[in-house]
Amino acid sequence: EIVLTQSPGTLSLSPGDRATLSCRASQSVSSSLLAWYQQKPGQAPRLLIYGASSRATDIPDRFSGSGSGTDFTLTVSSLEPEDFAVYYCYCQQYGSSLRTFGQGTKVEVK
Amino acid sequence: QVTLRESGPALVKPAQTLTLTCTFSGFSLSTSGMCVSWIRQPPGKALEWLALIDWDDDKYYSTSLKTRLTISRDTSKNQVVLTVTNMDPADTATYYCARIRVDDSGAPDYWGQGILVTVSS
Repeated sequence: EIVLTQSPGTLSLSPGDRATLSCRASQSVSSSLLAWYQQKPGQAPRLLIYGASSRATDIPDRFSGSGSGTDFTLTVSSLEPEDFAVYYCYCQQYGSSLRTFGQGTKVEVK
Repeated sequence: QVTLRESGPALVKPAQTLTLTCTFSGFSLSTSGMCVSWIRQPPGKALEWLALIDWDDDKYYSTSLKTRLTISRDTSKNQVVLTVTNMDPADTATYYCARIRVDDSGAPDYWGQGILVTVSS
């Protein structure tokens, strides 16, 4: 079973900063099966990125995803006040219908 | 417009069985490529994927919880039901249902608002 490990646990940044979040898989993941979510307190998660690098509907272009194999990255080019939240990576295991989430990275105001 | 809504008890006792219903609109679970998944989140903790049912009525479960979970659907009512047996305080969480289109993003794209279930005597 794939384990997704996100780092860092917490990222302390200021508005306008660039945020780089990492998601490492315990075994190779098909890029088409890797996604990123944003979650704010009291809200359901929102899909940001799917297929490792495709933005979901209405997601601003300051959000971008990259990576392949076991290492994936979510980048926020310039943080807006509304971007301070918790971010999760997610994958479907190739050849299986099992899914898994990472443990999350909190992006907080420095 | 796609919507999902979870319903069920807010409080269950240890050892009881939890039954949650996801009522959805804006899509059909009979359509090829459509799936509904259940995901939970203990207070202050990470998301945990639980189960999925697809357009072919195939069912998939978290490895760690598979002996306690059952997912089913009623396509005529646009509902998906999740049962969790032998509830424990560690199962206290917000439970979400979400739609997946395997021929599109392949990831949960629309989510319900979640239902907080507390396990306590």
